[in-house]
Amino acid sequence: GAGVSQTPSNKVTEKGKYVELRCDPISGHTALYWYRQSLGQGPEFLIYFQGTGAADDSGLPNDRFFAVRPEGSVSTLKIQRTERGDSAVYLCASSPGLLSYNEQFFGPGTRLTVL
Amino acid sequence: GESVGLHLPTLSVQEGDNSIINCAYSNSASDYFIWYKQESGKGPQFIIDIRSNMDKRQGQRVTVLLNKTVKHLSLQIAATQPGDSAVYFCAETNQAGTALIFGKGTTLSVSS
Repeated sequence: GAGVSQTPSNKVTEKGKYVELRCDPISGHTALYWYRQSLGQGPEFLIYFQGTGAADDSGLPNDRFFAVRPEGSVSTLKIQRTERGDSAVYLCASSPGLLSYNEQFFGPGTRLTVL
Repeated sequence: GESVGLHLPTLSVQEGDNSIINCAYSNSASDYFIWYKQESGKGPQFIIDIRSNMDKRQGQRVTVLLNKTVKHLSLQIAATQPGDSAVYFCAETNQAGTALIFGKGTTLSVSS
């Protein structure tokens, strides 16, 4: 079956530009997560959606980062005024429901490079 | 087989050996722990999980051990194969139970 998909797979942008990263979760999964992974590190939590609402956005580093999930399926992570330090792999994951009782399935990630 | 008492960033083993990868976690209230395997250019892939009311769980060629007293988690891989070469991460739930906190990864290299 189809897993979590993310587009684009690679994104190169210039400092100060705006970018959008898209995540298509597994069909029927109500929970969706965004993580950021820097080179040589484990993924770091950014935001969690349960349905359409952001249930926990405590991992977003600052107000340049924003994410939406308007219909409870596809999600978009938006980064304004990108900085070189935003360069990383952005991972999306989905699960059928509450984390502690359900496995998270990760997508392949979007590699963002800010020049 | 190879084993490590403390977290090491890399582990090299021969094909057929047993591998043990260790991880320390931080939140004594965590009730769910997972091991992930991540190959180059891919997202993390679920290997095995364990809940806090257990101390051992076995899968196919893998075993996870949980020691809540010292907040320690280990992954044992039996008869390691070249295809097992990857970075392995342990993860625990955050205090809110809404996301995963990943530990430091261990790069496993398996030579034939």
